[in-house]
Order: sequence, then C-alpha cells, then structure tokens
Amino acid sequence: GAVVSQHPSWVICKSGTSVKIECRSLDFQATTMFWYRQFPKQSLMLMATSNEGSKATYEQGVEKDKFLINHASLTLSTLTVTSAHPEDSSFYICSAMGARNTIYFGEGSWLTVV
Amino acid sequence: AQSVAQPEDQVNVAEGNPLTVKCTYSVSGNPYLFWYVQYPNRGLQFLLKYITGDNLVKGSYGFEAEFNKSQTSFHLKKPSALVSDSALYFCAVRDIDTDKLIFGTGTRLQVFP
Repeated sequence: GAVVSQHPSWVICKSGTSVKIECRSLDFQATTMFWYRQFPKQSLMLMATSNEGSKATYEQGVEKDKFLINHASLTLSTLTVTSAHPEDSSFYICSAMGARNTIYFGEGSWLTVV
Repeated sequence: AQSVAQPEDQVNVAEGNPLTVKCTYSVSGNPYLFWYVQYPNRGLQFLLKYITGDNLVKGSYGFEAEFNKSQTSFHLKKPSALVSDSALYFCAVRDIDTDKLIFGTGTRLQVFP
C-alpha cells in the first residue's frame, strides 16, 4: 500500500535554531500534503495545507514565518520550524493525498526544543 | 462548518466483549467520515471510511462502523475486543471543498485481559 515517510522520527534542537522535518510519499505522487501538530493526549491540529509548486495555505493562528512549508516536488514536503522555542516541542504529523483522494499519514516526528 | 464530536475520552472494555467508540458529526451536505487509530508515539492508521452506499462499513482489524443519518452518528464497533486494540481512536470528517480532515478529540480505548 501507499506509504508516507517522515524524517526524522525524533529530533532534539537548541532554542533559537531551526529544524527541518521531511514528509515523503514513497510510492505515489502527492500534489497535496497536510501538516498537523499534536500535543500530548490531544487531537491533531491542522497547521497548513501544502500544495506542490505553490505556497502553503496556513490555518488561522499558525505563524507562516515560523513554520515554513515547502512542497518542492510531487513526493516531498518539508516543514521547517524556525527559531525554535521550547513551546514548539510537539509531535508533528504529515499526510499526503494519493489516488482516489485517499489520505495517508506519516509516522510522525517528535520535536523537543531544549 | 464541518465537525465531529467524540463524547468519550476513554472507553474501557474487557477482552472478548463487544466495543463501541462513539462519534457524531455535523456537516453541510453529504458527510465523508473516517476512523483512524493511533498507537503510542506513532502516526495514524486508516481503519475505515464512509462515503456513500451501505450504512455498515467494514474496515481493518475486524472493525466496522455504522452510519446513521437520523442520529448523525458514525460509531465504531468491534464484536470481540482484543488487548492489542488498546489505542487512541479518532473520528474525522473530510471537507469536500478543501480535502482537509477535521478530527475529533479522540477516544482512548483500553481493553483489559
């Protein structure tokens, strides 16, 4: 079946630095990918919709300059958390839309900012 | 606006007993409804979906869900629970115009041996 890969699975970074998380569709092309954030024991919060070849569409309240999204190819979207702070520590999950508009999720990436 | 509600934070059931995880929806137009499961520190796995057709939808791992239009519900069910079913379950509705999935707050299922 369709697979979405996220990398890294775990990352620790220092406050003030930037960190990039990749989301790849391994065996299908995805013109649309979604980025979510999940706090412990909470639901998924949609951050932005990433469209290949165009700017991402951010949800209300999500800082686009802080959470940079680039969807440079049909199989790769990246989320860069810029000038990270401890409150950015979270579980970030991406999903990609494949054939017949089926949505597949990645395994998630844990970000810890120290 | 599309939304789903999961009224139970946690559901406890003994192994071998039937389980139900509740979900109600509020949509304009026809609902596209989904159930996902999340194991600890993992992403979401697709269980099943309702787009159209039979109200009883069968999915992965023996799960099924019943779409009830009059009650605006889409409860997840399984005839006989397993300890390995213990996980976090999310109901979701899809916004047809944007393809966004809108998730419920999640229900933690705990199956006791």
